[in-house]
Amino acid sequence: KQEVTQIPAALSVPEGENLVLNCSFTDSAIYNLQWFRQDPGKGLTSLLLIQSSQREQTSGRLNASLDKSSGRSTLYIAASQPGDSATYLCGKGRTSGSRLTFGEGTQLTVNP
Amino acid sequence: ETGVTQSPTHLIKTRGQQVTLRCSSQSGHNTVSWYQQALGQGPQFIFQYYREEENGRGNFPPRFSGLQFPNYSSELNVNALELDDSALYLCASSFSLAGGLSYEQYFGPGTRLTVT
Repeated sequence: KQEVTQIPAALSVPEGENLVLNCSFTDSAIYNLQWFRQDPGKGLTSLLLIQSSQREQTSGRLNASLDKSSGRSTLYIAASQPGDSATYLCGKGRTSGSRLTFGEGTQLTVNP
Repeated sequence: ETGVTQSPTHLIKTRGQQVTLRCSSQSGHNTVSWYQQALGQGPQFIFQYYREEENGRGNFPPRFSGLQFPNYSSELNVNALELDDSALYLCASSFSLAGGLSYEQYFGPGTRLTVT
């Protein structure tokens, strides 16, 4: 069973819409959770990092939340723009200094 | 501040050959992690190096090996290449304190390896 799951796998929205991407994890041991953006064929760009002691982090139009009890994190994107089109990945760190376990990503398309 | 860099950008190899990929960590970082990302999948952890020592390994065979140098740059070596090794190889650097406390991981642009 996939340890980290992202739903939906793909999402297409019109420009200006607010949207939520979901990340669920089965292992309740969590040190931190990091959201990334990946453009086609490129590396990962870090968007937000949430430590296990935090409930949310905000950067500009992005807000990420973490609910350890339910094993979920959400990434909220406000007023989406065509430039937001990319694949969004969540990576979970189980312990301090450990590897990140990733979901398979959500491919977002924002249509002008 | 210089970010994480990787070389080469693209590489084509034949099955059975060996390959070396390189990563320069971000200034001030002492930990490097390597990931393999197959097309359409999330990255899979290969191994991590902290202060020149391997500090954790994922579910990859021994023909995947690595090094970290005193300047914290790193190499990933893959022997006896197989077709399934075709993927984007990502390097991530971070700063870790003794005892394991570590911070945000920053990724490089990746090396696209194609095995024919």
